[in-house]
Amino acid sequence: GAVVSQHPSWVICKSGTSVKIECRSLDFQATTMFWYRQFPKQSLMLMATSNEGSKATYEQGVEKDKFLINHASLTLSTLTVTSAHPEDSSFYICSASPTDRIAYEQYFGPGTRLTVT
Amino acid sequence: RKEVEQDPGPFNVPEGATVAFNCTYSNSASQSFFWYRQDCRKEPKLLMSVYSSGNEDGRFTAQLNRASQYISLLIRDSKLSDSATYLCVVNRPGGKLIFGQGTELSVKP
Repeated sequence: GAVVSQHPSWVICKSGTSVKIECRSLDFQATTMFWYRQFPKQSLMLMATSNEGSKATYEQGVEKDKFLINHASLTLSTLTVTSAHPEDSSFYICSASPTDRIAYEQYFGPGTRLTVT
Repeated sequence: RKEVEQDPGPFNVPEGATVAFNCTYSNSASQSFFWYRQDCRKEPKLLMSVYSSGNEDGRFTAQLNRASQYISLLIRDSKLSDSATYLCVVNRPGGKLIFGQGTELSVKP
């Protein structure tokens, strides 16, 4: 149980285009999902906290107009990288916290590798 | 200062060795502590939670010292399959997980 999927697993896009990444909890409901970014040889950096039915909370330094988050249902959150640039190339990972569990119990998706050319 | 800091790596050890990882955290309001393992180009996976009394899971032992804001992970009798990056993780109120930069372990035959 507690499986989280991400789609796509990898994507290559041209500079200036937008990319949408989906995060789904497959066998549980998640009121809260989290989005992380990981650059090569660095650790995961929390970008934002996504709450179902409300606006996401962004970490300091993360542009909310560039990284649009939508958490429209208890099993789906999406991250859209708008007007992507090469410096946005990274490994994007989501996690989901089961609604009936304590908040720090999180299950991670397999990640999406974004390359912007 | 980073909120979670770990030993710089990489650690290169022979099979069967004992290896210890250290971690410090700066936010005294941190409530829960974990060690995650991340294989190359994969998502992190929970290795174990860390409790104040210390806890053990097979070859892995975790310790927490709240007064010193220090966390450790000991791996005994290391295996080739233990090669990975080990991430020290603390949580902030609200469920946010803050990851250390990770320590890379390479176990050689």
